[in-house]
Amino acid sequence: AQKVTQAQTEISVVEKEDVTLDCVYETRDTTYYLFWYKQPPSGELVFLIRRNSFDEQNEISGRYSWNFQKSTSSFNFTITASQVVDSAVYFCALSPRSNDYKLSFGAGTTVTVRA
Amino acid sequence: SQTIHQWPATLVQPVGSPLSLECTVEGTSNPNLYWYRQAAGRGLQLLFYSVGIGQISSEVPQNLSASRPQDRQFILSSKKLLLSDSGFYLCAWSVPGAGGPAYNEQFFGPGTRLTVL
Repeated sequence: AQKVTQAQTEISVVEKEDVTLDCVYETRDTTYYLFWYKQPPSGELVFLIRRNSFDEQNEISGRYSWNFQKSTSSFNFTITASQVVDSAVYFCALSPRSNDYKLSFGAGTTVTVRA
Repeated sequence: SQTIHQWPATLVQPVGSPLSLECTVEGTSNPNLYWYRQAAGRGLQLLFYSVGIGQISSEVPQNLSASRPQDRQFILSSKKLLLSDSGFYLCAWSVPGAGGPAYNEQFFGPGTRLTVL
């Protein structure tokens, strides 16, 4: 079975602070994909990134960066110089190759950025 | 470009009443379609997915059902709602084919907030 744990329920920061969201996963599959989604107050989930289990390269996209460490089964997400528009619920998700259609989500971390 | 629609946006229904939520996708063909439920303060739970017309797979046994009468239409139904059916229902789609469904990211609709009283 697959499991995704986002231990941080809520994080509150002041604008321009950095914030790191933790994600730990469990799977028996050797091939799997990891995702991060953002859910703003409007409710619609927005895809942010996908990571292949064979690709441990870290990735940076603007103020967003992701750190994938297979050794610790973690896929952490950092927002640098946070802005009010970053306020949202962020979900980490896992899709194992053996169960093609099932995307398992973590419980989400609510990020509040205060001006 | 592809778009996904869901309606209604909000719904308040009494216990025991029927339910029908609709989702349609535009701008793509033969998408994989998904229904999720998000309870307050929780992550998303996959309810159903479909890889083609008339093909429905259920992930969680419950009093809900899904149907796909057309290629880009996905309907979530119930004959009798329970209090526990309250939540935020999200429809999503993904591209079939290369990379496989596990690989391809899912695109979500705006959701339907259902309150069962």
